Amino acid sequence: GAGVSQTPSNKVTEKGKYVELRCDPISGHTALYWYRQSLGQGPEFLIYFQGTGAADDSGLPNDRFFAVRPEGSVSTLKIQRTERGDSAVYLCASSPQTAGVLAGIYNEQFFGPGTRLTVL
Amino acid sequence: AQRVTQPEKLLSVFKGAPVELKCNYSYSGSPELFWYVQYSRQRLQLLLRHISRESIKGFTADLNKGETSFHLKKPFAQEEDSAMYYCALSDGGTSYGKLTFGQGTILTVHP
Repeated sequence: GAGVSQTPSNKVTEKGKYVELRCDPISGHTALYWYRQSLGQGPEFLIYFQGTGAADDSGLPNDRFFAVRPEGSVSTLKIQRTERGDSAVYLCASSPQTAGVLAGIYNEQFFGPGTRLTVL
Repeated sequence: AQRVTQPEKLLSVFKGAPVELKCNYSYSGSPELFWYVQYSRQRLQLLLRHISRESIKGFTADLNKGETSFHLKKPFAQEEDSAMYYCALSDGGTSYGKLTFGQGTILTVHP
């Protein structure tokens, strides 16, 4: 079946502009995660959704970053007033989250191909 | 704060040689450890997880709580093992599996 998809695959923008990055999770997956991967680093957690609500947004670097998941499926990561330091690959992952309190242990996260954001 | 350290950015071995990718972690609670792999032009995918105690593609990893390590091992490396490998940690006490990743190790297996 179809995996996690992310659009666009590449986004080039100018400093100060607004961007939206989209994630389509695997159908039926209730958990959705956003990560950011800077050059030479591992992915860093940004935000986690369980259904429509953001259950943990502790990884968002500042208030220029915001994410939504209004219908519990597609999610959009929004970045206002982009800065050159925002340049990175933004990864989305989804998980079935069906095992209750042990979901974090047993449920595999399925990653999308990422969106490469370049801020000039 | 939880942290995952992969001390080697690059690791090169010859086909058929043993390989060990190192991973150390710091976490005060009860962590769960994972290895994720990214092959060339492919997306990040789960290789194996500690809780399952499984061997995938000949790879194994043992959690050593005393040394806070979760090294990935394979006795005989193959060229198709060449990839980027990430060690990751999840808080075993939460219900949603937020992952903390190491910086990654690029493994190159030469013919």
